[in-house]
Amino acid sequence: IAGITQAPTSQILAAGRRMTLRCTQDMRHNAMYWYRQDLGLGLRLIHYSNTAGTTGKGEVPDGYSVSRANTDDFPLTLASAVPSQTSVYFCASSPLAGGGTGELFFGEGSRLTVL
Amino acid sequence: GQNIDQPTEMTATEGAIVQINCTYQTSGFNGLFWYQQHAGEAPTFLSYNVLDGLEEKGRFSSFLSRSKGYSYLLLKELQMKDSASYLCAAMDSNYQLIWGAGTKLIIKP
Repeated sequence: IAGITQAPTSQILAAGRRMTLRCTQDMRHNAMYWYRQDLGLGLRLIHYSNTAGTTGKGEVPDGYSVSRANTDDFPLTLASAVPSQTSVYFCASSPLAGGGTGELFFGEGSRLTVL
Repeated sequence: GQNIDQPTEMTATEGAIVQINCTYQTSGFNGLFWYQQHAGEAPTFLSYNVLDGLEEKGRFSSFLSRSKGYSYLLLKELQMKDSASYLCAAMDSNYQLIWGAGTKLIIKP
């Protein structure tokens, strides 16, 4: 089934550890995004990529890094996790990098707990 | 600054109609989106408005007034499966989405 796959679906992590959340899409979408979702807050953009080889910072990029080596993959790395990074992380993709309907297709989310 | 306001929670009865309001302030405007998110699941796209007026799609309709910075999502013939959070998001001049915190809709029998 076409779509976006995230891994892991859930993870408990000790503070200070490095963690990479994986995201793969098979829809050949140009744009990809990483959001975090916290109770009582709207989705907040961490990083985005309008096309393979380019990335940009979103609203809350500190403590996170991304890469976009190819169209399909967009991993998110926490270099040294802290408890405030406990959240649900959603990867999303869009066929157009801005413009058009901008409809986003979301992965199922990765629930991360940092202790 | 940029912000989106929508009610935190609403309750409605099965079979009834409910209107979820959203007001927005953004730097530029390139459209207003509504997404549905069931508990523990990913958001899914419902509607997109860029011109003033009402867009109807089955039991769901979405309205936009650009001059008022206002949108609403109208759900008719409510079903229990409509219990979910409804997220409003506005696209700014940089084509980035600004998200509201979501409205949790509770449907009672």
